[in-house]
Amino acid sequence: DAKTTQPTSMDCAEGRAANLPCNHSTISGNEYVYWYRQIHSQGPQYIIHGLKNNETNEMASLIITEDRKSSTLILPHATLRDTAVYYCIVDYGGSQGNLIFGKGTKLSVKP
Amino acid sequence: EAGVVQSPRYKIIEKKQPVAFWCNPISGHNTLYWYRQNLGQGPELLIRYENEEAVDDSQLPKDRFSAERLKGVDSTLKIQPAELGDSAVYLCASSSGGLGETQYFGPGTRLLVL
Repeated sequence: DAKTTQPTSMDCAEGRAANLPCNHSTISGNEYVYWYRQIHSQGPQYIIHGLKNNETNEMASLIITEDRKSSTLILPHATLRDTAVYYCIVDYGGSQGNLIFGKGTKLSVKP
Repeated sequence: EAGVVQSPRYKIIEKKQPVAFWCNPISGHNTLYWYRQNLGQGPELLIRYENEEAVDDSQLPKDRFSAERLKGVDSTLKIQPAELGDSAVYLCASSSGGLGETQYFGPGTRLLVL
């Protein structure tokens, strides 16, 4: 079973920030928080991952709470092309990683 | 740099027929994964390879599914014979290994069994 809990769906207005929450209260010390998204009929796309510190790349920012029991993915200026299912996954990564996908959050960006 | 390549992208077969999917991982990635994604669900791992060795195949239905990665690079997943319930998207992913490394996915093969 997935070790994360996410809302089933969220809406966001185009141009606004999209904040996607994720709970992972049973995360262990060496597990990373990964975010992927899946646009219809495509393979999952890697977005960002982090261990303890907040992370930012060209796609998004990842905010991890100090106790690491929850995190938030931030898309700073959502566009219609960001409409997708977003998956939050805790995993060791690399050769030790078997990503366990939950149902994710269906993000709908509206004009 | 090329991503994970999969072929074919789509396949329609009749039940009881065999089918094979091919995957070429990102160059230099030693770890290769096959996932299956049923409609409306997240992907589920079928098998994981470290180079040419299958290190986790616990979720692979071995009565009809087989996989190989003979030279530790590209891989083939086979179903023989296919059943109606095998209709799904079959995804391949690869990683360079090591703690905290990322898996990158291919576009998947959409299989329809009639």
